[in-house]
Amino acid sequence: KQEVTQIPAALSVPEGENLVLNCSFTDSAIYNLQWFRQDPGKGLTSLLLIQSSQREQTSGRLNASLDKSSGRSTLYIAASQPGDSATYLCAVRIQGAQKLVFGQGTRLTINP
Amino acid sequence: EAGVAQSPRYKIIEKRQSVAFWCNPISGHATLYWYQQILGQGPKLLIQFQNNGVVDDSQLPKDRFSAERLKGVDSTLKIQPAKLEDSAVYLCASSLVAPGGNTEAFFGQGTRLTVV
Repeated sequence: KQEVTQIPAALSVPEGENLVLNCSFTDSAIYNLQWFRQDPGKGLTSLLLIQSSQREQTSGRLNASLDKSSGRSTLYIAASQPGDSATYLCAVRIQGAQKLVFGQGTRLTINP
Repeated sequence: EAGVAQSPRYKIIEKRQSVAFWCNPISGHATLYWYQQILGQGPKLLIQFQNNGVVDDSQLPKDRFSAERLKGVDSTLKIQPAKLEDSAVYLCASSLVAPGGNTEAFFGQGTRLTVV
């Protein structure tokens, strides 16, 4: 059974810092991994999708890496801003049924 | 391109009442998911459809929850009767069916259910 873990559960940093969020999964039989952002009371916004054959993806100040063999992904946020405050979720799409399995999220607070 | 539409946005009901949620996926997306997200937790898959067939409903509490996707487009999720522990955000998502399974999921805004 695929399990996804995100560490830390919460993170608070001052504005301008670079930071890394971690995601680990137990079964490497995945099609891809997706990082989402969730603002309070809102749905999920897709940030980055990394295919299983890729090592990283970049979008603006965000960079996501994937090491499928070790079951790890990181989301790097450069020059953090207060507007980056949200919960960040990672999800893996497992092979076969294509089910999306989520981690519990990291609640990020950027202090001005 | 229009996104995934869900309604209602909010619902408050008493325990033992029934409630229904509606989802309209992105046009052309054959796969539709319903997730339950309890406060402070990650989303948990309730049911996954491909077209109008069920792919996975292993975590759907079938004694009280039901879902259907008529004609392989819109979907409804029903809870009858509701319990206090059903208070959560119910998220609908859709994705294309792609060769090799490499496809992106898109989520709606969710329905926040409060059972009192």
